[in-house]
Formats: sequence, structure tokens, C-alpha cells
Amino acid sequence: GAGVSQSPSNKVTEKGKDVELRCDPISGHTALYWYRQSLGQGLEFLIYFQGNSAPDKSGLPSDRFSAERTGGSVSTLTIQRTQQEDSAVYLCASSRTSGSGLTDTQYFGPGTRLTVL
Amino acid sequence: DQQVKQNSPSLSVQEGRISILNCDYTNSMFDYFLWYKKYPAEGPTFLISISSIKDKNEDGRFTVFLNKSAKHLSLHIVPSQPGDSAVYFCAASGNTGGFKTIFGAGTRLFVKA
Repeated sequence: GAGVSQSPSNKVTEKGKDVELRCDPISGHTALYWYRQSLGQGLEFLIYFQGNSAPDKSGLPSDRFSAERTGGSVSTLTIQRTQQEDSAVYLCASSRTSGSGLTDTQYFGPGTRLTVL
Repeated sequence: DQQVKQNSPSLSVQEGRISILNCDYTNSMFDYFLWYKKYPAEGPTFLISISSIKDKNEDGRFTVFLNKSAKHLSLHIVPSQPGDSAVYFCAASGNTGGFKTIFGAGTRLFVKA
């Protein structure tokens, strides 16, 4: 079956502009995660959605970052007034549930490489 | 505060030899541990996992060892192959509801032919 897909694969934008990144999780996966990986860094957790529960936004670095998940499926990560330090690869992952055990194995998309000039 | 630490940013190994990637964690509530592998321009892919009730899990050339008392786990790859060259992320999660998975910074493995 289809894996996690993300679009666009690359995005170049000017400082101050808003960007939207899209994630299509694996069908049937109730948990969806956003991470970012800056150059030379590990995976930085941003936000996760689990079913109809309120999302865990504890990883969002500032109020310029927000995310939505419509209908429990597709998610959009929005960055307003982008800054150069926002340049990174933004990765989306989904899993069957959110918790420990095998069900927490996350399946990642290929990422969106964001470059803010 | 890094709860999951991979202190070696890179590791170089000769083809056919053993690769050992290490990971330390600080939170005793973690009870499930995973290794992911990432190639350039791709998302991480799940490699192998281990529950805290075990101290070893083996899958082909890959074995993960868990030492709970030391809060340490390691991934062994034997024999190493050039195609194993990638970034390896250690991750940990807990059984408490809503305990999200925490990833380490990754170790880049180079396997030389």
C-alpha cells in the first residue's frame, strides 16, 4: 500500500513569507507526527495528533508554527513569517496508534526541504 | 535536556566487520526502544525494536541489546555492508498514555568497501 507522502518535496521561500507543508499519512493510521531536522541535527519533535484528541503542540518552537489535521487524515503544517533559522527538512510520520509497543512504530514520509532565503 | 543521547555523531567501519552504535537514555519510564535508519533525501525507516522486558532482540544481521540498569542500548550490525551506510537514530517511548517517542541526534555510519 501507499506510504506516507509529503508535498512539496522542496520549497524555497523568502524571509517573511508564509509556507504550508502537506502530509498524507498511511490510511487507517490514527497518529500523525511532525518533526524537523536541521542541518547536522537530530529529529526535533514539533507536534502530534492522535485521533480526535487535542494535539500535543509542546514541540512547536514559536507561535509562527501551527498545524491542522482535517478529518483525521491529511495534515498541514503552516509556518508564518518564515525566518532563515526555519530552514530544515520537515518530516511527517504516522502510526497506527500513539503509545508504546509495536503500534508506535512510525512510518516516515520523504520530507519537505525548506529553504528560507 | 536530551533524554535520548547518541554521543557518537559518526562511525567508520570496514566492510565485513561489526558496527556497534550506542545510545543512552535518562528517563526510566521509557520501556520501548527503536532504531531507525535514514538514507539521504529519504525519511527514516524502522529497523528493529526491543521491549524493556527483553535484553536482546535479533533480526538477521541486526541485533539490539538493552541494559536497563545502565540505561543503555546498542545496535550491532554483523557483518557490515556498504549498503548499511546511513544515519541511525535511536528512539525511546513509554507506556504512559501520551508518552511520545523521543529520538536521539543520530549516528552516521560509513561502511568502507
